[in-house]
Amino acid sequence: IAGITQAPTSQILAAGRRMTLRCTQDMRHNAMYWYRQDLGLGLRLIHYSNTAGTTGKGEVPDGYSVSRANTDDFPLTLASAVPSQTSVYFCASSEVPNTEAFFGQGTRLTVV
Amino acid sequence: GENVEQHPSTLSVQEGDSAVIKCTYSDSASNYFPWYKQELGKRPQLIIDIRSNVGEKKDQRIAVTLNKTAKHFSLHITETQPEDSAVYFCSGGSGNTPLVFGKGTRLSVIA
Repeated sequence: IAGITQAPTSQILAAGRRMTLRCTQDMRHNAMYWYRQDLGLGLRLIHYSNTAGTTGKGEVPDGYSVSRANTDDFPLTLASAVPSQTSVYFCASSEVPNTEAFFGQGTRLTVV
Repeated sequence: GENVEQHPSTLSVQEGDSAVIKCTYSDSASNYFPWYKQELGKRPQLIIDIRSNVGEKKDQRIAVTLNKTAKHFSLHITETQPEDSAVYFCSGGSGNTPLVFGKGTRLSVIA
């Protein structure tokens, strides 16, 4: 079934640890995005990639890094987790920028 | 960069009534305005979108209007049903700039 998947679905992480959230899509979409969702703050863009090999910073990039080595995968890395990074993280993709975005099921991350 | 403001943050309506959610944007270059619905515990999903070359678009009980001059756009849901209860997000973007989302509106339809 075509779509976009994230792993893990939830994680409890000790502060200071490194963590990579995985995102894979099989729709051959060029653009991919990482958002975090916090109550009352909506969906805030962390990083994005308009095409394989390129990335850009969003509204809240500090403490996060991404890579886009190929079309399908867009991992998000927290180098040293802090409690303020507790959130629900959504990966999304679109055929090209500014067309319908398809979201993954989300990763609920708790940093303690 | 683009800034999207959304109002109200919460909205309660009686079943069968209409619901209206309003958004404003700051970047006059923005030309794509999708709306997403997120049910509790689920992922956001597109329900309707509009591009700047049209002023209104309808899909059954849902309609979106766009006023480019005033830089605002609205979502209208008629004959609301309990399954319309969700969080709705407006968003806007253009070119290669990623979508910017509003903070969301929690709609409750009371049976």
